[in-house]
Amino acid sequence: AQKITQTQPGMFVQEKEAVTLDCTYDTSDQSYGLFWYKQPSSGEMIFLIYQGSYDEQNATEGRYSLNFQKARKSANLVISASQLGDSAMYFCAMREGGNRDDKIIFGKGTRLHILP
Amino acid sequence: SAVISQKPSRDICQRGTSLTIQCQVDSQVTMMFWYRQQPGQSLTLIATANQGSEATYESGFVIDKFPISRPNLTFSTLTVSNMSPEDSSIYLCSVPGQGAYGYTFGSGTRLTVV
Repeated sequence: AQKITQTQPGMFVQEKEAVTLDCTYDTSDQSYGLFWYKQPSSGEMIFLIYQGSYDEQNATEGRYSLNFQKARKSANLVISASQLGDSAMYFCAMREGGNRDDKIIFGKGTRLHILP
Repeated sequence: SAVISQKPSRDICQRGTSLTIQCQVDSQVTMMFWYRQQPGQSLTLIATANQGSEATYESGFVIDKFPISRPNLTFSTLTVSNMSPEDSSIYLCSVPGQGAYGYTFGSGTRLTVV
């Protein structure tokens, strides 16, 4: 069974609109971390945002916020006021357990296209 | 966060040969991770390299095919052995971040096997 599920293979959004990228996860651990990465066509992996399982508030980083719904095991990424430069592949990832040095595994990703 | 230098950035190799990919980190890290990203796909973890012990491989990956070296806390190599066209992928190394920082990735090695 997949640990990280991203159900949107591709999305098209008009520039300046808000975007929500879906991510659900599956773990029996109480302590875990959730990450979002952006991968533009250049191939680099750009860290966007992190949410710890014990964090009570949703994480925010500039235009990025993570809508964390623990009971639903959901960690959606919200991008406000989208820009053309947001066009890229977006990956949700999870680290299980409380060891900050442990591995992370990735979902299949969502390709986001921002339309002018 | 750490900075990783990954080499080579790309290579075209003949089938049956081997390629060694290097990752140098600017700080000491306990764990390093190696991922494969096949064309149009997500990142799949190959193995975890812990300095001073043998690497831990994920299901579907074996040491004979992907031997890993971790001689110290700032360096690791991944070798792709006896290559076939199916090994054509991007290979990335990664290290954990601190606190709320994400994991840092190398710039990747784009491998084409012909």
